[in-house]
Amino acid sequence: DGGITQSPKYLFRKEGQNVTLSCEQNLNHDAMYWYRQDPGQGLRLIYYSQIVNDFQKGDIAEGYSVSREKKESFPLTVTSAQKNPTAFYLCASSLLTLDTIYFGEGSWLTVV
Amino acid sequence: GEDVEQSLFLSVREGDSSVINCTYTDSSSTYLYWYKQEPGAGLQLLTYIFSNMDMKQDQRLTVLLNKKDKHLSLRIADTQTGDSAIYFCAESPPGTYKYIFGTGTRLKVLA
Repeated sequence: DGGITQSPKYLFRKEGQNVTLSCEQNLNHDAMYWYRQDPGQGLRLIYYSQIVNDFQKGDIAEGYSVSREKKESFPLTVTSAQKNPTAFYLCASSLLTLDTIYFGEGSWLTVV
Repeated sequence: GEDVEQSLFLSVREGDSSVINCTYTDSSSTYLYWYKQEPGAGLQLLTYIFSNMDMKQDQRLTVLLNKKDKHLSLRIADTQTGDSAIYFCAESPPGTYKYIFGTGTRLKVLA
């Protein structure tokens, strides 16, 4: 089945550790996105990528890093510099930038 | 500012109609979207409307667009308990390469 797969679904991080969230899509989409969702707030854009080996900062990129070495993969690393990393993280993709975007099932990150 | 505004909560009785409202920010947005999010899951695209349309109907869903007031609404007819979820509106302003989402409206359907 075509879709966007995020893993892990739940992740616990100790303070000071970096963690990487995986996002894979088999939709042959060009653009990929990472959003953060906090309770009672809308989605905030962390990073996006329109093509392989290129990505742009979104509104809240500080403390995060990404790579886009393959078209189907867009992993997000939450670094120790991110002060409040506990949140629900959503990966999305679209055929072209500003085309309809589709979301993965999300990953919960909790700092312990 | 860049805030897409939605009311936070809506409660309706099963079988009634639900109307979820959204005020967006950029009158040049080409597409406007409605997404549904069930607990602990990703967002599912429900429907979208092109900016040159006033209304779009898709089975139980009706989207109304008032470009002058930058107001978007989603009407769900014959609301069912399975419709309980958070509903997000979103816009995609041209030239920004991003989508702007509202805060989401939590719809609770009472049996």
